[in-house]
Amino acid sequence: KQEVTQIPAALSVPEGENLVLNCSFTDSAIYNLQWFRQDPGKGLTSLLLIQSSQREQTSGRLNASLDKSSGRSTLYIAASQPGDSATYLCAAPNNNDMRFGAGTRLTVKP
Amino acid sequence: DAGVIQSPRHEVTEMGQEVTLRCKPISGHDYLFWYRQTMMRGLELLIYFNNNVPIDDSGMPEDRFSAKMPNASFSTLKIQPSEPRDSAVYFCASTRDRVGSYNEQFFGPGTRLTVL
Repeated sequence: KQEVTQIPAALSVPEGENLVLNCSFTDSAIYNLQWFRQDPGKGLTSLLLIQSSQREQTSGRLNASLDKSSGRSTLYIAASQPGDSATYLCAAPNNNDMRFGAGTRLTVKP
Repeated sequence: DAGVIQSPRHEVTEMGQEVTLRCKPISGHDYLFWYRQTMMRGLELLIYFNNNVPIDDSGMPEDRFSAKMPNASFSTLKIQPSEPRDSAVYFCASTRDRVGSYNEQFFGPGTRLTVL
């Protein structure tokens, strides 16, 4: 059974800082890994989907990497902004469903 | 496409009442998932369907919970009778094909359930 862990649980940074969110998973036989953003009281918005054949995926200021051999993924956010404040969750496949980490709650202070 | 649609967005009910949550997946998506999110347990998979057929309901907490998918565009999650510990946000999600190489999972806005 896939288990997903995210560190840190919470992170507070000043605006403009570059930051890294970490995700680890136990079953490395995965096809992909997905990163989501969740704003308070809202649903999950897909940010990036990394295929197992890819090492990284980029969208704007976001860059996600995947290292299957070590069971790790990172989400890099460049030049953080207050609007980036949210909870970020990673999810890895478990057979035909997804297992989610508990999330990292990010606060970017102006 | 309007995305995954859920209703109601908020539901407040009293213990013992029946609650029905509704979901319309994205058109053309063959997989539908029901999740529950709480502060204590995070996001938990309850059940998922493939082509309207329940595939794995091992996450359904008790017999009080039931889910149906009568057609490709509609699913319900029912709790009867409801209890205060069922209070949570319930999400519906869908994917085009199995959770694999090229398939992102898309979530609805959720239903916030409060059982008094």
